[in-house]
Amino acid sequence: GQSLEQPSEVTAVEGAIVQINCTYQTSGFYGLSWYQQHDGGAPTFLSYNALDGLEETGRFSSFLSRSDSYGYLLLQELQMKDSASYFCAVRDHSGNTPLVFGKGTRLSVIA
Amino acid sequence: DAGVIQSPRHEVTEMGQEVTLRCKPISGHDYLFWYRQTMMRGLELLIYFNNNVPIDDSGMPEDRFSAKMPNASFSTLKIQPSEPRDSAVYFCASSLERTSYEQYFGPGTRLTVT
Repeated sequence: GQSLEQPSEVTAVEGAIVQINCTYQTSGFYGLSWYQQHDGGAPTFLSYNALDGLEETGRFSSFLSRSDSYGYLLLQELQMKDSASYFCAVRDHSGNTPLVFGKGTRLSVIA
Repeated sequence: DAGVIQSPRHEVTEMGQEVTLRCKPISGHDYLFWYRQTMMRGLELLIYFNNNVPIDDSGMPEDRFSAKMPNASFSTLKIQPSEPRDSAVYFCASSLERTSYEQYFGPGTRLTVT
């Protein structure tokens, strides 16, 4: 089976940088996705890493180290609207298997 | 495209009643997923379809739950009979086969069973 670990809560100051970590255990590995979910809303896709390294999309970046079974989501220039839950999700085989989601990290951005 | 559409957005029902949740995926998407989200258990995959065919329903909690996808543009999740522990937000999501790591979620149905 698969298991994912991420912190349950993180608090950061507006304008700062925050890193949300995710470690995973899977029988195989195909890629790591990140999703954002605001209270009362639906999860929305942020990024995907299949290979080691950093993927940058505006203020958000995602990193993967397959040898360490570890990834993180980096949010820069934090804004109040970034307060949300962030989920990592893994796919442990090729395209025709579903994602397994972590429990989520609730990010609170304070002034 | 309007995105994934779910109905109803909210459902309040009494224990023992049948509940039917509906989903219209994004046109052209090959995969359709049904999830349940609760504070305690997080986001759980219930069942998913590929080209209208159910692939894995191992996440369906028990026989009270059933799902169908009669065509590429419509799916239902039915709970019969409903129980208070079924109270949760149910999401439908769809994706392309080649990019199934990028799923598009509907707004969800908040189900309350009293």
